[in-house]
Amino acid sequence: DTAVSQTPKYLVTQMGNDKSIKCEQNLGHDTMYWYKQDSKKFLKIMFSYNNKELIINETVPNRFSPKSPDKAHLNLHINSLELGDSAVYFCASSQRRDTGANVLTFGAGSRLTVL
Amino acid sequence: LAKTTQPISMDSYEGQEVNITCSHNNIATNDYITWYQQFPSQGPRFIIQGYKTKVTNEVASLFIPADRKSSTLSLPRVSLSDTAVYYCLVSLDQGGKLIFGQGTELSVKP
Repeated sequence: DTAVSQTPKYLVTQMGNDKSIKCEQNLGHDTMYWYKQDSKKFLKIMFSYNNKELIINETVPNRFSPKSPDKAHLNLHINSLELGDSAVYFCASSQRRDTGANVLTFGAGSRLTVL
Repeated sequence: LAKTTQPISMDSYEGQEVNITCSHNNIATNDYITWYQQFPSQGPRFIIQGYKTKVTNEVASLFIPADRKSSTLSLPRVSLSDTAVYYCLVSLDQGGKLIFGQGTELSVKP
């Protein structure tokens, strides 16, 4: 069973379209994240939800809207896609630990190409 | 937030020990140091985490000096399959943003 699964794995679309990426985790974690990885390998945090509540919202255009129907799901909807949105988007989850910092479990990524 | 600096790339040969050092001069008292490994077309995967001194698991060792301003990930006897990007990040216990640096691209050659 895949712990953090994202769909679709690949997405090719035209500028101006609206698209969604879905994420589900079966680990029972209480926090979920969206990260964006550009061609230079930088991983930038976009959003974080804890028990369906938005807790981190980085400087991301309003065209990006996360939605968490329950704590096992965190979807990312993108409106009016632009060329610069082309990247790999990673979903991740974590659970509060007794000691230490949170450890993330990542999905395999969703490669978005905007033409 | 503590910022990390790592070498952009490193080369090694099979069977060698590889040490990747990460600088985090502004690390805070409650920050932990965590390393992740990322293979092409996959998400990052947790390797090891530590707060001070030395931590060892089945995959790697993590050395943290007393001032905690740097840390070194040690991979014993690397193989071709250890070719990946390695990320160091510092983060607060029980929360805070988990911010990745640019990573170190390790290339292991036969």
